[in-house]
Amino acid sequence: DSGVTQTPKHLITATGQRVTLRCSPRSGDLSVYWYQQSLDQGLQFLIQYYNGEERAKGNILERFSAQQFPDLHSELNLSSLELGDSALYFCASSVAGGGGDTQYFGPGTRLTVL
Amino acid sequence: GENVEQHPSTLSVQEGDSAVIKCTYSDSASNYFPWYKQELGKGPQLIIDIRSNVGEKKDQRIAVTLNKTAKHFSLHITETQPEDSAVYFCAAISSYKLIFGSGTRLLVRP
Repeated sequence: DSGVTQTPKHLITATGQRVTLRCSPRSGDLSVYWYQQSLDQGLQFLIQYYNGEERAKGNILERFSAQQFPDLHSELNLSSLELGDSALYFCASSVAGGGGDTQYFGPGTRLTVL
Repeated sequence: GENVEQHPSTLSVQEGDSAVIKCTYSDSASNYFPWYKQELGKGPQLIIDIRSNVGEKKDQRIAVTLNKTAKHFSLHITETQPEDSAVYFCAAISSYKLIFGSGTRLLVRP
């Protein structure tokens, strides 16, 4: 158990809908990262927040957005969902926001778009 | 963009044998290289990492080597056991982002 929690574990929804994924970092960690894992794309970095501020951005679609709240939990919002958005979404956390910080991953949310 | 290549994509070994997974990276500024193990239905779990100021690091049956000149790093697992069967990912830091390799599915045959 990494200490990172994610909810929900599974999410099934329809195309065009909007969903919110939630992540709570390990106690004491200030940074949260979001990753997408699909069969054909592997693990892709989406976005990083450090202490409430956006720190780094990957190939995150404009339909996706994230935020980190004052209690350091984070939410990833996915809107206008398409079939291709079906994937595992992982959250990771680290103590600080530096590039070489060890990242600990949560168990993931499996999103299925029908 | 920055890239990490990982080989082989699948690896089957007999229990007790060694397994080696190799990765190359493109960003010469990368200075942190973690390895993750992912079991079915679970999130990636850090198993070992190495920073650019060392060439090798060991933790029991697992070791990682780094060649910064050639920009490649490798994972070595000795005395493999069936519970080592999983997907292994290498990664390299590039501009605050972890760039992952495509993964190696390791099967340890009893």
